[in-house]
Amino acid sequence: DGGITQSPKYLFRKEGQNVTLSCEQNLNHDAMYWYRQDPGQGLRLIYYSQIVNDFQKGDIAEGYSVSREKKESFPLTVTSAQKNPTAFYLCASSEHRLPNQPQHFGDGTRLSIL
Amino acid sequence: AQSVTQPDIHITVSEGASLELRCNYSYGATPYLFWYVQSPGQGLQLLLKYFSGDTLVQGIKGFEAEFKRSQSSFNLRKPSVHWSDAAEYFCAVEDAGGTSYGKLTFGQGTILTVHP
Repeated sequence: DGGITQSPKYLFRKEGQNVTLSCEQNLNHDAMYWYRQDPGQGLRLIYYSQIVNDFQKGDIAEGYSVSREKKESFPLTVTSAQKNPTAFYLCASSEHRLPNQPQHFGDGTRLSIL
Repeated sequence: AQSVTQPDIHITVSEGASLELRCNYSYGATPYLFWYVQSPGQGLQLLLKYFSGDTLVQGIKGFEAEFKRSQSSFNLRKPSVHWSDAAEYFCAVEDAGGTSYGKLTFGQGTILTVHP
């Protein structure tokens, strides 16, 4: 079955540590997205990529970094500069070359501070 | 910049009752609109989408939504709610500027509780 796989499901970060969240898709989608979800705030866009080797900052990119070396993979690194990283992180993908194409979501990674 | 407002943070209905979740958007051009549903600890699932044409769109699980340009609204409805509909619902508008699409702005979400 085609879909998006996020790993791990739960992740713990120590102070001063960088952690990387994995996102893999086999839908052959060009575009991939990372969102942060906090209670009562909906989903906020961190980074997105519409093509391999290219990505753009979203609304809350500070303290995060990404790479897009392969079409199917879009890992997110939460750096030590992100002072409040505890949240639920969602990865999504879509076919962006036409409008009104839905985003497909993974099941998320919950990140907590030790 | 576009924005989406879901005025109701939490709605409680009885099983079998009708449901309407409100969504208001701000966007200069014709909007591309979506409703998603999220069960606890999981990702989002698409319920339905609006692009153009008929302003009443049908989705999965018996949901429908009506686009009203004059009110800048895209409210989600279901005639009879089932206990399994308890979840969080998100309205979203797509940024269709330029030649690339796909970037979404989400509302804050509405949590639906269903009483037996």
